[in-house]
Amino acid sequence: GDSVTQMEGPVTLSEEAFLTINCTYTATGYPSLFWYVQYPGEGLQLLLKATKADDKGSNKGFEATYRKETTSFHLEKGSVQVSDSAVYFCALGGSYIPTFGRGTSLIVHP
Amino acid sequence: GAGVSQSPSNKVTEKGKDVELRCDPISGHTALYWYRQSLGQGLEFLIYFQGNSAPDKSGLPSDRFSAERTGGSVSTLTIQRTQQEDSAVYLCASSLNRIGQETQYFGPGTRLLVL
Repeated sequence: GDSVTQMEGPVTLSEEAFLTINCTYTATGYPSLFWYVQYPGEGLQLLLKATKADDKGSNKGFEATYRKETTSFHLEKGSVQVSDSAVYFCALGGSYIPTFGRGTSLIVHP
Repeated sequence: GAGVSQSPSNKVTEKGKDVELRCDPISGHTALYWYRQSLGQGLEFLIYFQGNSAPDKSGLPSDRFSAERTGGSVSTLTIQRTQQEDSAVYLCASSLNRIGQETQYFGPGTRLLVL
């Protein structure tokens, strides 16, 4: 069945550091790929998405490219801020039910 | 506009009691999902509805769990004879249509504590 694997956290960075959170998937067909973010004390919300191979999703300085050849959708940001501290979930939306990774906690220190 | 709402926001109950959790999706969204999020764990998919129909209930952890949706809108998740391991945050989400492919909009969750 479909599955999503993302790097375990927590990831701890200093402000303005470069961020990568790895996400790989297995799926049949042509799923959409998502990154959701959960800020402390808040619900999950969509950060970005890509619906087909080679698409790049971007939002709030975050980017992720849908790589079909490597079945990956890594999340990147060039310069993180303290306010980016949150839990990030990679998700796969196939023709069936959505599948989420276990989440990666990001902690950004001033 | 109004987002997904869930009630109650917090529920403390005694082991063995039944609880009912409610989800109000965004108006017009035909797909609705229930998840469970335990401390330190990811999202565990429980069940989804397309309209009022739940085609696959295999994600429900046990037969103590049930869910229904009426009028293509409000959904309730019922847990009978609650156990301590049921303690978690229960999340509801909705999407416009077409299961899986579309952005899900999440509610704030119901935090359930079983004593």
